[in-house]
Amino acid sequence: NAGVTQTPKFQVLKTGQSMTLQCAQDMNHNSMYWYRQDPGMGLRLIYYSASEGTTDKGEVPNGYNVSRLNKREFSLRLESAAPSQTSVYFCASNQGSGGGSGNQPQHFGDGTRLSIL
Amino acid sequence: AQSVTQLGSHVSVSEGALVLLRCNYSSSVPPYLFWYVQYPNQGLQLLLKYTTGATLVKGINGFEAEFKKSETSFHLTKPSAHMSDAAEYFCAVSDLMRGNKLVFGAGTILRVKS
Repeated sequence: NAGVTQTPKFQVLKTGQSMTLQCAQDMNHNSMYWYRQDPGMGLRLIYYSASEGTTDKGEVPNGYNVSRLNKREFSLRLESAAPSQTSVYFCASNQGSGGGSGNQPQHFGDGTRLSIL
Repeated sequence: AQSVTQLGSHVSVSEGALVLLRCNYSSSVPPYLFWYVQYPNQGLQLLLKYTTGATLVKGINGFEAEFKKSETSFHLTKPSAHMSDAAEYFCAVSDLMRGNKLVFGAGTILRVKS
């Protein structure tokens, strides 16, 4: 039972390079989320998708774009990577609707550890 | 906007001792509350959640938390710490003013000494 799968697990980029982080879930969830985790700051929401074909900004969207390719997949793109984007990125999903968690817990992938030099 | 405060970025206990991790939230409306645990190099796993009903919530691995509306708190406890409990713990709240999206505390790293 895979749950939420993220690829790659690790990546090192140079400033200005671009890359896409991939996320797929096999739980038939409506909502998907991208977070970044930085020491002492918990998790901060970058973007979310309440349903297939819809996306919306979270708390820290600058420098990122997302695509909800289908119900299973939600990708995060860094167009021009900056050292400030060095972080651990987590994808999550849940059965909540309207972009909200409500009382439905989110299920997390194992993260992508991204370093930008 | 909703906020979550976890008192103590690091907590250290001896094996067999009581574990108490503190969480306070800011809300005038009773929210949905969650505790997650993160082991090294892994994602977050749900420990327990409070939605409605009984204010004492039991979770996995012997953890429990009590929702206290008057204190806007949702502290996590375990009667007897085990070495395997060493991890980072996050309190989170559904922000009713932001479409029920989760707001996380900064996290508390629990160290268990033998």
